[in-house]
Amino acid sequence: KAGVTQTPRYLIKTRGQQVTLSCSPISGHRSVSWYQQTPGQGLQFLFEYFSETQRNKGNFPGRFSGRQFSNSRSEMNVSTLELGDSALYLCASSFLPHHAGTGENIQYFGAGTRLSVL
Amino acid sequence: AQKVTQAQTEISVVEKEDVTLDCVYETRDTTYYLFWYKQPPSGELVFLIRRNSFDEQNEISGRYSWNFQKSTSSFNFTITASQVVDSAVYFCALHDMRFGAGTRLTVKP
Repeated sequence: KAGVTQTPRYLIKTRGQQVTLSCSPISGHRSVSWYQQTPGQGLQFLFEYFSETQRNKGNFPGRFSGRQFSNSRSEMNVSTLELGDSALYLCASSFLPHHAGTGENIQYFGAGTRLSVL
Repeated sequence: AQKVTQAQTEISVVEKEDVTLDCVYETRDTTYYLFWYKQPPSGELVFLIRRNSFDEQNEISGRYSWNFQKSTSSFNFTITASQVVDSAVYFCALHDMRFGAGTRLTVKP
């Protein structure tokens, strides 16, 4: 069974540009969550999508947005990039929403997209 | 408050040594889950274990073992007879996917 696939693996952008990252979940998984990982702030939750609806959102500015398609694939968009947006962006999938209920659903992570903003 | 603390930033051991990674959590929930993940240099977080708040039995899986103590709000992870392949960053997380800062483990040959 294929794991979570994120594309591209590496990306270099300049300040002010926008970027779109893609995530294909494990087959059968309908929930996709996005995380930002930086040396200073660690791993931080961005948002979760389930059945094409955003279920939960972390504490990030509106420049960070996402969407989910009917095949459960998800995209994350960051507009007007800032230097501080340089990070590893991780996507995770689970069968049921992770941020619903007691959070017992296990999330499986992709290898991430490393974004560098110059 | 919901919080996960991994006080050990970096640990370095020699192969075959045992090593324990500490995790202390705070949660207002009466039912909760705790997780451990491993992040090798490739970047992908690999799920290791999930433990619910009602199950305080220790868990052993090969060289890995976990000690969950509700009384001290701790969920510590021990690797027995460490190997070079165990070198990675290890994260402890609460059910709301609030992660600790991670512990970087280096196992030297």
